[in-house]
Amino acid sequence: DAGVIQSPRHEVTEMGQEVTLRCKPISGHDYLFWYRQTMMRGLELLIYFNNNVPIDDSGMPEDRFSAKMPNASFSTLKIQPSEPRDSAVYFCASSLGSGNSPLHFGNGTRLTVT
Amino acid sequence: DAKTTQPTSMDCAEGRAANLPCNHSTISGNEYVYWYRQIHSQGPQYIIHGLKNNETNEMASLIITEDRKSSTLILPHATLRDTAVYYCIVRGSGGSYIPTFGRGTSLIVHP
Repeated sequence: DAGVIQSPRHEVTEMGQEVTLRCKPISGHDYLFWYRQTMMRGLELLIYFNNNVPIDDSGMPEDRFSAKMPNASFSTLKIQPSEPRDSAVYFCASSLGSGNSPLHFGNGTRLTVT
Repeated sequence: DAKTTQPTSMDCAEGRAANLPCNHSTISGNEYVYWYRQIHSQGPQYIIHGLKNNETNEMASLIITEDRKSSTLILPHATLRDTAVYYCIVRGSGGSYIPTFGRGTSLIVHP
């Protein structure tokens, strides 16, 4: 398996623009997580899905952020409109549905909002 | 909030064993201890996990105390490529399923 695949690897955009980050989880995994990492706040969980259904979005910073999982092999995280403080590395991870199953992370999308 | 406590940083000589401690005094019976590491600009990488017994794989060994309130990750022969941030998390089923990461331990392996 190719692992968790995220795109794009880097994204540079101007303030106010819409940004869409993409994730393809490992086939067969039923949990998908979106994290954000900054120097100030470390690795924060934004939202997670189980069987394509959002379970907990309490980590989503504000209404400008939204996430979808239209099918088991694809998820998006959208920021509209983007702001400079959204600059961070965004990671997607997937796992099987038990505590005895590790998360597998993608290599992240580095977002810079100018 | 993370349920684990780790030292902020450690260093180790190349070729020596690196022993990274983690306290998880509030761990519950169905929660596993997981270790990940993150090399700069990459996603966190799974290393090892355990419930009660000590575990070993090709990357590391995990020693869990009998009361399960702390654990140690052992890299038996550290190399320069082991320089990374190491995260210890606890994770179970149900409400404790959400994996929460703290700041981890920054391990520097020096020649």
